[in-house]
Amino acid sequence: DAGVIQSPRHEVTEMGQEVTLRCKPISGHDYLFWYRQTMMRGLELLIYFNNNVPIDDSGMPEDRFSAKMPNASFSTLKIQPSEPRDSAVYFCASSSTVLTGELFFGEGSRLTVL
Amino acid sequence: KQEVTQIPAALSVPEGENLVLNCSFTDSAIYNLQWFRQDPGKGLTSLLLIQSSQREQTSGRLNASLDKSSGRSTLYIAASQPGDSATYLCAVMGYGGATNKLIFGTGTLLAVQP
Repeated sequence: DAGVIQSPRHEVTEMGQEVTLRCKPISGHDYLFWYRQTMMRGLELLIYFNNNVPIDDSGMPEDRFSAKMPNASFSTLKIQPSEPRDSAVYFCASSSTVLTGELFFGEGSRLTVL
Repeated sequence: KQEVTQIPAALSVPEGENLVLNCSFTDSAIYNLQWFRQDPGKGLTSLLLIQSSQREQTSGRLNASLDKSSGRSTLYIAASQPGDSATYLCAVMGYGGATNKLIFGTGTLLAVQP
């Protein structure tokens, strides 16, 4: 398996623009997680899905953030409108089980909002 | 609220030394603890996963221990090599009903000098 695949790897945009980040989890993994990493706050869980259903979105910072998982092999994280404080590295991760399984991370999408 | 702390924040050692990284957590009600490695500009790679019923896990030159009652875990790296240079993060999966979350520490930046 190719692992968790994220795109784009780098995104530079201007404040107010819409940003869409994409993730393909490892085939057969039922859990998908979106994390955000910043120097100030470290790694924060934004949302996670089980079998394509959002289970916990309490980490989503504002209504400007939304995430979807239309099928088992694809998820998106959207920010609309984007703001400079959204600049961070966004990671997608997947797992076969949420409680006892290992978490496998993608390479991340580095977002810079000017 | 679970808090995960890693000490030291940064560590520099000469090649060949054995070293210990520390992780502490405030709530002992955990399912598991994982150690990850993160290289600059990359995602996280799972190194070791310790279930709550286990005391330690070993993989090659790495050994991780878990003491739930004291809220501590250590990652022991034997015969360190320059290729071990990276940021090491620990993360705990706590109880939480539908909101099980992997809570990350802020990491230890390790530099192994040749």
